[in-house]
Amino acid sequence: ETGVTQTPRHLVMGMTNKKSLKCEQHLGHNAMYWYKQSAKKPLELMFVYSLEERVENNSVPSRFSPECPNSSHLFLHLHTLQPEDSALYLCASSQAPPGSYNEQFFGPGTRLTVL
Amino acid sequence: GQNIDQPTEMTATEGAIVQINCTYQTSGFNGLFWYQQHAGEAPTFLSYNVLDGLEEKGRFSSFLSRSKGYSYLLLKELQMKDSASYLCAAFDSNYQLIWGAGTKLIIKP
Repeated sequence: ETGVTQTPRHLVMGMTNKKSLKCEQHLGHNAMYWYKQSAKKPLELMFVYSLEERVENNSVPSRFSPECPNSSHLFLHLHTLQPEDSALYLCASSQAPPGSYNEQFFGPGTRLTVL
Repeated sequence: GQNIDQPTEMTATEGAIVQINCTYQTSGFNGLFWYQQHAGEAPTFLSYNVLDGLEEKGRFSSFLSRSKGYSYLLLKELQMKDSASYLCAAFDSNYQLIWGAGTKLIIKP
């Protein structure tokens, strides 16, 4: 595998389910990001990890819980989601940490549908 | 507030030229990116401009005017595979990326 991979690519879940999204980067980068992409809206930055420490949490509801066990892996744990959480969830990584020039490399995303 | 504006959708003909505009209002500025995103795929890096002027990379060129808060992406000799969304994003003074909503480009034969 190369670049940034995400699994699953598609996920349908009920409002009471618990699921997790997985992201893995094979680029040796030090920072990882979760974004939410909704139709016709700008990318919304959700969480940022730099060297496995969370450095940013943009007022994201607690039903989204990130986890970064090491610099190559990032998870987004989901529970009791709402239909408005349906979106494409993108993972990205960068060599440089936030606060400096950081070109971000994206995974293909997980298309999430909440019923 | 910080804001990026770009057209929602544009249509162009195969073989032609199209210009996608982006205006930005940010607290400070440390450069601007263009990304391409095909449907169902990852956004991929196209260009980064931090100085005024035009940068050419094959069929794609990107222009920046810092004084006007304005950039454009120019695509020449359009091909059907150029049908995609084009995302504009600017770094603010803290190197936080401010994103536009993207421009969906439709190429017709």
